[in-house]
Amino acid sequence: GAVVSQHPSRVICKSGTSVKIECRSLDFQATTMFWYRQFPKKSLMLMATSNEGSKATYEQGVEKDKFLINHASLTLSTLTVTSAHPEDSSFYICSASRVTGELFFGEGSRLTVL
Amino acid sequence: AQTVTQSQPEMSVQEAETVTLSCTYDTSESDYYLFWYKQPPSRQMILVIRQEAYKQQNATENRFSVNFQKAAKSFSLKISDSQLGDAAMYFCAYSVWETSGSRLTFGEGTQLTVNP
Repeated sequence: GAVVSQHPSRVICKSGTSVKIECRSLDFQATTMFWYRQFPKKSLMLMATSNEGSKATYEQGVEKDKFLINHASLTLSTLTVTSAHPEDSSFYICSASRVTGELFFGEGSRLTVL
Repeated sequence: AQTVTQSQPEMSVQEAETVTLSCTYDTSESDYYLFWYKQPPSRQMILVIRQEAYKQQNATENRFSVNFQKAAKSFSLKISDSQLGDAAMYFCAYSVWETSGSRLTFGEGTQLTVNP
């Protein structure tokens, strides 16, 4: 089956620094990638949709200047949490969509901001 | 806006028994997709089963089957012959087909415990 890889799986950073999380589709070209945020024992909340070569579409209430998304190629999307604060600590999950619409999830990245 | 509701935060079942997880949704669309995803402690999202709204026949995947009631906007998941490995958080999800890919709306989740 198709594989979507996220890196890093865990990251700890100091408050005020920026952190980049990568999402790669390893064996297919992803026309669209999605970024979700998940709090402990809670559901996944869609943050943004990114299409290769165009600006990401952010969901209402998501700060686009804090959560920068870049989809530079058909196999890579990145989420950068800028000037991170403890309230940004969370589990971030990406998913990648094939042209057929089939969706595959990454393993997730746990961010802890001290 | 579309919403997905899972009214059972926690469920438990004995090994080898059958359990049904509930899900309701609200939409004004006539054509859409419904999913059940499993999230084990590893946090990896795993697709369990998928249903296209235009299909009247309920989807089945081995021990997993759904009861799709379109008029009632209900989409329950039945797990037969439950196994210890079925223990996980289960999310019901909805999407409308878009050329740019499937934006999923998730329910709040049901934590399933399987007792030996």
